[in-house]
This record gives sequence, structure tokens and C-alpha cells, in this order.
Amino acid sequence: DTGVSQNPRHKITKRGQNVTFRCDPISEHNRLYWYRQTLGQGPEFLTYFQNEAQLEKSRLLSDRFSAERPKGSFSTLEIQRTEQGDSAMYLCASSYPGLANEQFFGPGTRLTVL
Amino acid sequence: DAKTTQPPSMDCAEGRAANLPCNHSTISGNEYVYWYRQIHSQGPQYIIHGLKNNETNEMASLIITEDRKSSTLILPHATLRDTAVYYCIVRVDTGANSKLTFGKGITLSVRP
Repeated sequence: DTGVSQNPRHKITKRGQNVTFRCDPISEHNRLYWYRQTLGQGPEFLTYFQNEAQLEKSRLLSDRFSAERPKGSFSTLEIQRTEQGDSAMYLCASSYPGLANEQFFGPGTRLTVL
Repeated sequence: DAKTTQPPSMDCAEGRAANLPCNHSTISGNEYVYWYRQIHSQGPQYIIHGLKNNETNEMASLIITEDRKSSTLILPHATLRDTAVYYCIVRVDTGANSKLTFGKGITLSVRP
């Protein structure tokens, strides 16, 4: 257990539905990252927060995706109008500058879109 | 960030050293080499990182060649729990946006 928690761990939804995932980082970490991982591939960067500010978004993050970190603590990732291609593991990580920029990953949320 | 190349898989016997290679021939002078691993059904886990000197911690050793174009991660006494995908990542350690760019990694299988 790294101290980063994600909920839910698994989500099955029908195409067209909206889903929201939550990430609780390690409490003193001011940086929070979202990644997506499909089968057989390494994780791909989606977006990054420093405190409550969203500082970078990948081109992978279409307009159906939105992420927030309202008080600089937990974060949510919402996918609207899900598609089968959204099926993946969604990973959250947090870090604190200076600690080797080591990122601590949560266990992920596995999304299956039927 | 520079690109890395790793073989797709390797195996080793339990108790023996596992030497995982990584090529990063386009690495820049200010880029660090990081290693993470991902055990099945878990998130990635940081192992070690270095710039140009060899590094060692409680998990592994990192050997970086003098020209910095390649490196080797060494697990000195592999156990079955070390079976995982190992990712070699090169990135600038500016402390600003420190996103990780993962490749496919190398799958290490430790056999009894």
C-alpha cells in the first residue's frame, strides 16, 4: 500500500454513460497525476495538477474527459458519454518535489465499457 | 524526453542476479534514468534513479555506462515476488512537471 487510494477499484458501465473516479493522494503531496493503461502497454500520461491547478493535459484527454482537484487534495476524473475505447486501467499518482520526484501510484480503477 | 529501448522479456532463476538492460542512446546531459516496476494488477512502483554515477538502494543497483547511452538495473537476488514489468524511463528532473513517459517495459519472469 503506497498511501494513494483510488475508488472504485472496478467499474463496469454501458456505452454512453458517464463515470467518475476518485483519487486520494498522500496527504502532503502537492502534485497529482492521472495515467491510463491499456492491456499490454505502459501507462500513458493524461493530466497533472500542482495543488488545485491543472497544469498540463495530454492530447489523449479528449473533451469528454475532465479532471478536477478542487481543494488541492483529492481529485476526480470524469468521462462523459463513455466509449468502448475508454476501457482501460486509470491510474493516479502523487508526488512531492525534491523526493527524487518519485511518484507513488494507487492501485488503479479498471473501467470496462460494454 | 529521450526514448528508451528494452528487450520485451527475460527470465532468471530465483536467488540469482537479474540484469535488466536499457538503451537510451539519445539521452541528454540533464536527463536522468529512472526505473519503475509494475507487479500484476498493481500500480507502478519506483525502484531507483541516477544521472551518471552508479546508484544502489535496498531494492536494486543501477549501473550507467560512462557515455550514458545505456544502463542496467540489477536485482542482486531475485525472488518470485520480483516477477513484474520493469520500465526504464529517461526524463529531465527539473522538479517542474515530472510526468513519466512509459514504454512497454521488459517483463521479468523469475522461475523457482
